[in-house]
Amino acid sequence: DVKVTQSSRYLVKRTGEKVFLECVQDMDHENMFWYRQDPGLGLRLIYFSYDVKMKEKGDIPEGYSVSREKKERFSLILESASTNQTSMYLCASSLMGRAYEQYFGPGTRLTVT
Amino acid sequence: GQQVMQIPQYQHVQEGEDFTTYCNSSTTLSNIQWYKQRPGGHPVFLIQLVKSGEVKKQKRLTFQFGEAKKNSSLHITATQTTDVGTYFCAVSANAGKSTFGDGTTLTVKP
Repeated sequence: DVKVTQSSRYLVKRTGEKVFLECVQDMDHENMFWYRQDPGLGLRLIYFSYDVKMKEKGDIPEGYSVSREKKERFSLILESASTNQTSMYLCASSLMGRAYEQYFGPGTRLTVT
Repeated sequence: GQQVMQIPQYQHVQEGEDFTTYCNSSTTLSNIQWYKQRPGGHPVFLIQLVKSGEVKKQKRLTFQFGEAKKNSSLHITATQTTDVGTYFCAVSANAGKSTFGDGTTLTVKP
């Protein structure tokens, strides 16, 4: 079974802090994604990566950056956390040949106070 | 990117009743996927549809892709309490970049 893990299930940070969310997948998937999920807004794509050191902006990249130094790991960085970044963050991965079939991690619920 | 609208946003049913959620687009879709997210869980891939008029079944779940490829539906026959959750449709583009609908949240009263 594909396993996608995220570094924290719950995280509380203060406004202005730099926040790192880590995601690791164990199935050699080329594609990795970061979403945020808010009530009534579905899943919104922040960034995605289809190869090591490659990144593409999603629909809501403002206030975020990403890093992919290794194939299995995709990090989401909030340079200066703000209260409007309080959300559930979901990481996902997929194979290049079956890019539409995404496997999600358990999510990190981030609260910025 | 391609946009999809899902209706209804919420659906409450009595156990044993049927349930349908719809995914609509103003443009022709190249494909559509369906995901299920249980309460407190993460989205899980269910299926992909790519052909005009395609119908696929998974036990009590029936997935359809419209003839014009502008809409899709997920129908559950005789709902059970295990069906509760939020059902999302999504459209996948290059490198798997997907656009998700806002989801339909199903609650089932025993």
